[in-house]
Amino acid sequence: AQSVAQPEDQVNVAEGNPLTVKCTYSVSGNPYLFWYVQYPNRGLQFLLKYITGDNLVKGSYGFEAEFNKSQTSFHLKKPSALVSDSALYFCAVRDTGRRALTFGSGTRLQVQP
Amino acid sequence: NAGVTQTPKFQVLKTGQSMTLQCAQDMNHNSMYWYRQDPGMGLRLIYYSASEGTTDKGEVPNGYNVSRLNKREFSLRLESAAPSQTSVYFCASSEGAFGGTEAFFGQGTRLTVV
Repeated sequence: AQSVAQPEDQVNVAEGNPLTVKCTYSVSGNPYLFWYVQYPNRGLQFLLKYITGDNLVKGSYGFEAEFNKSQTSFHLKKPSALVSDSALYFCAVRDTGRRALTFGSGTRLQVQP
Repeated sequence: NAGVTQTPKFQVLKTGQSMTLQCAQDMNHNSMYWYRQDPGMGLRLIYYSASEGTTDKGEVPNGYNVSRLNKREFSLRLESAAPSQTSVYFCASSEGAFGGTEAFFGQGTRLTVV
């Protein structure tokens, strides 16, 4: 079975400070890992993915994520937060051989001016 | 590009009524999905279709049926709506099921069952 945990319901950060949104996963094979963002009353938008290769993955809007196999984590990061980054963030995983994504419960990011 | 289009955007049903949520994608994707989003529970997979002509159950299929009408369209039907089916429903598509490609989502259908 594949599963994802996002331990924080909400993350608060001041504008200009670095941000981290945490994600851990469980799979039986090799993971395909994703981050999506959801703005109010909108569908999910793809941010970045890890399939293989470098553990540090760069994505849209200045976001990046670090794959850590030993800790089974895939934390989302950004060096300098913007107020416009405030949204709901979802981590997702697909195990090799599986057909669909499993999503975490989501973390609300609030960036204060 | 329209991407993934869902209709309707909002719907209120009475318990026991039926309805079909429509989804169409114009990206020539093979795989399509239906998810429901509930507060604190993230997105849960209802059904998916890895290719035209095939459908498979996801995590929460009870009370739903699907039809992959053609490569573009994937509909979700509630035969007898229940209050527990009040949720936001998202359709998504992706190029491949196994390749780790990202999914593209529609804007959602907000369904209330009273």
